Amino acid sequence: QSALTQPASVSGSPGQSITISCTGTSSDFGIDNSVSWYQQHPGRAPKLMIYEVTKRPSGVSNRFSGSKSGNTASLTISGLQAEDEAEYYCCSFFSDRTYVFGPATEVTVL
Amino acid sequence: EVQLVESGGDLVQPGGSLRLSCAPSGFTFRTFWMGWVRQAPGMGLVWVALIKPDGTEKQYVDSVKGRFTISRDNAENSLSLHMNSLTAEDTALYYCARYGVAYGIDYWGHGTLVTVSS
Repeated sequence: QSALTQPASVSGSPGQSITISCTGTSSDFGIDNSVSWYQQHPGRAPKLMIYEVTKRPSGVSNRFSGSKSGNTASLTISGLQAEDEAEYYCCSFFSDRTYVFGPATEVTVL
Repeated sequence: EVQLVESGGDLVQPGGSLRLSCAPSGFTFRTFWMGWVRQAPGMGLVWVALIKPDGTEKQYVDSVKGRFTISRDNAENSLSLHMNSLTAEDTALYYCARYGVAYGIDYWGHGTLVTVSS
């Protein structure tokens, strides 16, 4: 089964923008537009932040946005706030009809 | 209100078996893809299994194929994960998950803890 890579950590100051990348390790990144992103605070269940690469579920701040170019998907957090400090995971659906999560990216608000 | 409540997690010896259950409420269970995701202590999320609304399609991560079986009972509104030949590597918090948007898990349970140890 395929794999995804993410940076271990990303940091930024309040009000700044940060971007978390998610790259497929083979030519098969996954089904087109199947990338989703999840936020997880310590001791809590994950929360869906972005699905189908760019779509935001109801209730998710518009400071969160997603994009994809080639084999790399990205999650951008604008106007960084203390509450954004958490772990973030990308996820993609592959042609063998399985999902894969990327490793956690820890976001730190300086 | 959508809720997913897992149960069945326990301490089990290596080689043992366990059955996890998920009780969904607040939505029409039979119309949604459902699945399980696990998270070992201090580690990342790992996708485990997926089942189609009518139960005719099931998919698994390679590491559990042949050992785990996902099933559902739409009449009883329940989702299960039968786990056999458990090893220490299966120790994790197991989340029940609803695929409520395209390729995305929009609702998660709080998880049930499985510990495999002698």
